[in-house]
Amino acid sequence: GAVVSQHPSRVICKSGTSVKIECRSLDFQATTMFWYRQFPKKSLMLMATSNEGSKATYEQGVEKDKFLINHASLTLSTLTVTSAHPEDSSFYICSARETGNLGEQYFGPGTRLTVT
Amino acid sequence: DAKTTQPTSMDCAEGRAANLPCNHSTISGNEYVYWYRQIHSQGPQYIIHGLKNNETNEMASLIITEDRKSSTLILPHATLRDTAVYYCIVRVAYNQGGKLIFGQGTELSVKP
Repeated sequence: GAVVSQHPSRVICKSGTSVKIECRSLDFQATTMFWYRQFPKKSLMLMATSNEGSKATYEQGVEKDKFLINHASLTLSTLTVTSAHPEDSSFYICSARETGNLGEQYFGPGTRLTVT
Repeated sequence: DAKTTQPTSMDCAEGRAANLPCNHSTISGNEYVYWYRQIHSQGPQYIIHGLKNNETNEMASLIITEDRKSSTLILPHATLRDTAVYYCIVRVAYNQGGKLIFGQGTELSVKP
């Protein structure tokens, strides 16, 4: 089956620093990838949609300058949390949609970010 | 995308069928019904999806009412490993701009 990986699985960083999270589709090409965040005991919230080779589309209320998304290839998207603050601590989950009209969407295992 | 309503939580005895309901009374004709589940601290896992007809795969069955205003996910023989949050989502096809927007889901507890 289709596999999506994320790296790192967990990261701790200091306030004010930036952290990059990678999302890879391992055995399929993904023209479109999605980034979600999830707070404890809450549902997933869609942050943005990225299409390979173009700018990401952010959901309402998500700061594009704070959450930088790059989708440079058909198998890799990155999310950079810039100038992280403790309130950015969350579970970040990426998802990749297989290229093609019938392509389904598969999720990565998530990255636990803790900002101290 | 249309909104869904699911019970907050449900219990099921191990080995019995788990029937998880979902209401989507405002679903449009071109919207699919998707089910995902999320085991604690993991990414969501695709289970099944359908448009109008009932569907079955190795994990579950999906029963969609004739008016498409509700559906039921059936796990035929629940195991302890099926304990998870189950999300029912309706969306249009991806090539029409459909996105997976998660609601609160149903927390299913399978008990010995």
